[in-house]
Amino acid sequence: DVKVTQSSRYLVKRTGEKVFLECVQDMDHENMFWYRQDPGLGLRLIYFSYDVKMKEKGDIPEGYSVSREKKERFSLILESASTNQTSMYLCASSLWGRANEKLFFGSGTQLSVL
Amino acid sequence: DAKTTQPNSMESNEEEPVHLPCNHSTISGTDYIHWYRQLPSQGPEYVIHGLTSNVNNRMASLAIAEDRKSSTLILHRATLRDAAVYYCILEYGNKLVFGAGTILRVKS
Repeated sequence: DVKVTQSSRYLVKRTGEKVFLECVQDMDHENMFWYRQDPGLGLRLIYFSYDVKMKEKGDIPEGYSVSREKKERFSLILESASTNQTSMYLCASSLWGRANEKLFFGSGTQLSVL
Repeated sequence: DAKTTQPNSMESNEEEPVHLPCNHSTISGTDYIHWYRQLPSQGPEYVIHGLTSNVNNRMASLAIAEDRKSSTLILHRATLRDAAVYYCILEYGNKLVFGAGTILRVKS
């Protein structure tokens, strides 16, 4: 089975800190995605990547950046964390660029910014 | 954006079938219809997807209306482990855009 691993289950940071959320997948998938999940809003796409060193903005990229130096790893970066970035962050991967491929999700990182 | 509309919540009895509806009146001809579910404290997991024809797998069945403006996810015998949020999703520019989903409660 595909495994998508997020480095932390819970994270507490202070306003203004630089935050790194790490995601690793073990199935050689081309595509990786970062979503945030907030009550009543479902999942919203922040950034995605179809290849190493390649990134595209999702629907809510403001305040975030990403890095994909290796195929298996996709990092989400909060340059200066703010309280409105308190959320559940979910990483996902899929095999090809077409959306009719399955997405495999990690268990999520609950980030609290104080 | 292709949008979906689902009821906020539904309730079912254990061992009974469950029909989860989804409306997607703005669907385009090449959009796949995807269903994912999210169990408590976990990331979403794939359930099923289809384009035009009804689809079956070991988890569920997907019934797609002839005009493709709606679909129904069918759980044939609900168990307590099926209690989750169910998301009906369409493609949007090669991305999956999730809505708020339907909270399914299963009573024993």
